Amino acid sequence: KQEVTQIPAALSVPEGENLVLNCSFTDSAIYNLQWFRQDPGKGLTSLLLIQSSQREQTSGRLNASLDKSSGRSTLYIAASQPGDSATYLCAPWIGFQKLVFGTGTRLLVSP
Amino acid sequence: ETGVTQSPTHLIKTRGQQVTLRCSSQSGHNTVSWYQQALGQGPQFIFQYYREEENGRGNFPPRFSGLQFPNYSSELNVNALELDDSALYLCASSPGGSAYEQYFGPGTRLTVT
Repeated sequence: KQEVTQIPAALSVPEGENLVLNCSFTDSAIYNLQWFRQDPGKGLTSLLLIQSSQREQTSGRLNASLDKSSGRSTLYIAASQPGDSATYLCAPWIGFQKLVFGTGTRLLVSP
Repeated sequence: ETGVTQSPTHLIKTRGQQVTLRCSSQSGHNTVSWYQQALGQGPQFIFQYYREEENGRGNFPPRFSGLQFPNYSSELNVNALELDDSALYLCASSPGGSAYEQYFGPGTRLTVT
């Protein structure tokens, strides 16, 4: 059974800091991995999709890496802003488009 | 392009009742998945529909059932509601294929009393 762990569970930083959010998963036989953000009480917004053949994906201030062999993915946020405050979820695909989620990292960026 | 929409936004039901939640997938998307998110937890996969056929199911009892229609919209039905069914129910759609991200709707908040 695939289990996903995200560290840290919560993070509070001042504006402008560069951040690293970590995700580990127990079964390396995954298809792809997707990172999401979730605002309180809202749905999920897709941030990045890393396909199984890729090791990295970038979008604006976000960069995500994937190391399937070690069961790890990292989301790097550059120059954090208060608008980045949300819960960040990673989700490896355990089958064709079936996602397994961790409990996320709650991020608070203070002005 | 309209994104994934879900209805209703909020719903309050009594234990033992039945509920139907609806999802309209994004235009051109033939794959719809449903997830349950309890408070403080990550979403859990319920089941997926691909071109009107169920294409996989998570660890949920048979009282959770679904449908996908020819226009690829979908319904989630839950019978004999229990208090633990209180959660945010999320629908995700995709064009299908491993190269495509899944896009989520805003969710339906179900409260069972």
